Amino acid sequence: SQTIHQWPATLVQPVGSPLSLECTVEGTSNPNLYWYRQAAGRGLQLLFYSVGIGQISSEVPQNLSASRPQDRQFILSSKKLLLSDSGFYLCAWSPVLGGGQYFGPGTRLTVT
Amino acid sequence: DQQVKQNSPSLSVQEGRISILNCDYTNSMFDYFLWYKKYPAEGPTFLISISSIKDKNEDGRFTVFLNKSAKHLSLHIVPSQPGDSAVYFCAACYSGGSNYKLTFGKGTLLTVNP
Repeated sequence: SQTIHQWPATLVQPVGSPLSLECTVEGTSNPNLYWYRQAAGRGLQLLFYSVGIGQISSEVPQNLSASRPQDRQFILSSKKLLLSDSGFYLCAWSPVLGGGQYFGPGTRLTVT
Repeated sequence: DQQVKQNSPSLSVQEGRISILNCDYTNSMFDYFLWYKKYPAEGPTFLISISSIKDKNEDGRFTVFLNKSAKHLSLHIVPSQPGDSAVYFCAACYSGGSNYKLTFGKGTLLTVNP
């Protein structure tokens, strides 16, 4: 069966510090991968998605970036965090032929 | 411009009664719709989906209805249980592309009272 992992589960970082959140998927090949952020009162906002290694599409302009160095690894990064980057970050995957997305447990990021 | 709208931020229901969660969409390209349930500090869990070729899909206590002409879908939970208390997200996508991007509503907080 497929599983999706995210770490860390929680993170407290000062403004201006770098960020690296990691997501890995097991039990499937060539998944589509997604990064979302849930900010208070704003639902789930799609940040990036990837349909293959090295292929990243950005949905919103921001100081975050994403990379997919391996088929089942998706990384969310920032060189300098802003206060507004605080939120709950979720990684998700979907089968290459679609059918819905499946979410990881999330990372709670607090920028202080 | 919100393409998927959940106009009720919260809903409170008695245990054993029916919960009806509503969702409206504006993009006529959407042809696949999903409902997710989310507890605090956890990732959303997929509940049920429906393709635009259907108007109803049922899975146990959960039924999703789709009214394409009204661009409206609803999730019915019968009977409601206290464990159903969570935020419910409606999501939509166009299945003809290769990225299967989902557009989410802002969610409805369901509280089922014992």
